[in-house]
Amino acid sequence: DAGVTQSPTHLIKTRGQQVTLRCSPKSGHDTVSWYQQALGQGPQFIFQYYEEEERQRGNFPDRFSGHQFPNYSSELNVNALLLGDSALYLCASSSGQGGWGGYTFGSGTRLTVV
Amino acid sequence: DQQVKQNSPSLSVQEGRISILNCDYTNSMFDYFLWYKKYPAEGPTFLISISSIKDKNEDGRFTVFLNKSAKHLSLHIVPSQPGDSAVYFCAASENNNAGKSTFGDGTTLTVKP
Repeated sequence: DAGVTQSPTHLIKTRGQQVTLRCSPKSGHDTVSWYQQALGQGPQFIFQYYEEEERQRGNFPDRFSGHQFPNYSSELNVNALLLGDSALYLCASSSGQGGWGGYTFGSGTRLTVV
Repeated sequence: DQQVKQNSPSLSVQEGRISILNCDYTNSMFDYFLWYKKYPAEGPTFLISISSIKDKNEDGRFTVFLNKSAKHLSLHIVPSQPGDSAVYFCAASENNNAGKSTFGDGTTLTVKP
């Protein structure tokens, strides 16, 4: 049973560019949350999608946007990349928003902005 | 202002002994707490959780204790095994929405054979 799949695993972008990260949730899961993890820190919540709508949002600027598709997969878009956007981006999924039993995380996409 | 703090960046214990990982929080609205374990090059893996209506939850070798008055929780691993060596994250959420969790910065546990 495949868990959460994220693509790509690594990518390098230039400051000012735009990037799209992709996430396929675990089979049977319908809720997706995105996190940003800087080196040496814990994951920081970006936003959560359920029923194709953004349900919760963390303290991130509008440059960060997302989408959820009818098959529950999700995208994270970041516009006008800054050097400070370099981080590991984690996608997590659950059946329902509550997440009793925790969320299942993917291995992440390592974004480097140069 | 960090709402979830894990004040010990690292912990080293001998195989077979108890490992105690601590976590403090400041937001009294948090009502659901989770521990995740993370190995290198992998995403965090859910370990155990506790609701604010309880003060203890046990799952095999893992027990989480919650002290709401002190805004403190701890994870006990007994007995510790070398395979438990990983980074442990404490996370907290409001309105029972674990998908919007606030994480601590993690504690690296090393269990020595």
